[in-house]
Amino acid sequence: GAGVSQSPSNKVTEKGKDVELRCDPISGHTALYWYRQSLGQGLEFLIYFQGNSAPDKSGLPSDRFSAERTGGSVSTLTIQRTQQEDSAVYLCASSPLGAYNEQFFGPGTRLTVL
Amino acid sequence: GENVEQHPSTLSVQEGDSAVIKCTYSDSASNYFPWYKQELGKRPQLIIDIRSNVGEKKDQRIAVTLNKTAKHFSLHITETQPEDSAVYFCAASRSGGYNKLIFGAGTRLAVHP
Repeated sequence: GAGVSQSPSNKVTEKGKDVELRCDPISGHTALYWYRQSLGQGLEFLIYFQGNSAPDKSGLPSDRFSAERTGGSVSTLTIQRTQQEDSAVYLCASSPLGAYNEQFFGPGTRLTVL
Repeated sequence: GENVEQHPSTLSVQEGDSAVIKCTYSDSASNYFPWYKQELGKRPQLIIDIRSNVGEKKDQRIAVTLNKTAKHFSLHITETQPEDSAVYFCAASRSGGYNKLIFGAGTRLAVHP
């Protein structure tokens, strides 16, 4: 079956521009997570969705970052007025709802801000 | 705040040797500890996980141990093979209906033939 997909796979943008990153979770997975992976670093939690609501946004670095999820499926992470420090791989993961369920990761979007 | 420390950052072993990666977590309410393997340019994939109600779990050449008192958990890979070469991440989360994973910084394992 289809796994988690993300688009675009690579995005190069100029400082100050807005970008949108898309995540298509595994069908039927209620929970959706966004993480950020900077070069040579671990994964940093950004936001969690349960259905279309986001009970935990505690990892979003600033108000330039926002995310939404529609129809309990596709999610979009938006970064406004991008800065060079936003350069990273943005990973999306989905899982069935529950405390111990495996998170399945997408391939990530590599964002480069020039 | 929540934090997971992981050591070593790099590990080089000969094929057939064992490899051990150690993690320490700060949130005493954590009760779920997965390990992910990430090959170069690929997505992280779960290789094993452990819940706080057990001290050890094995799956073929891979085992994880947990010491809740010390807030330590470790990944053990025996009879390493070149295809084990990758970056390994530990993570911790607390039960609350969902898994907000707090990741360690990763260990780059190189297995030399």
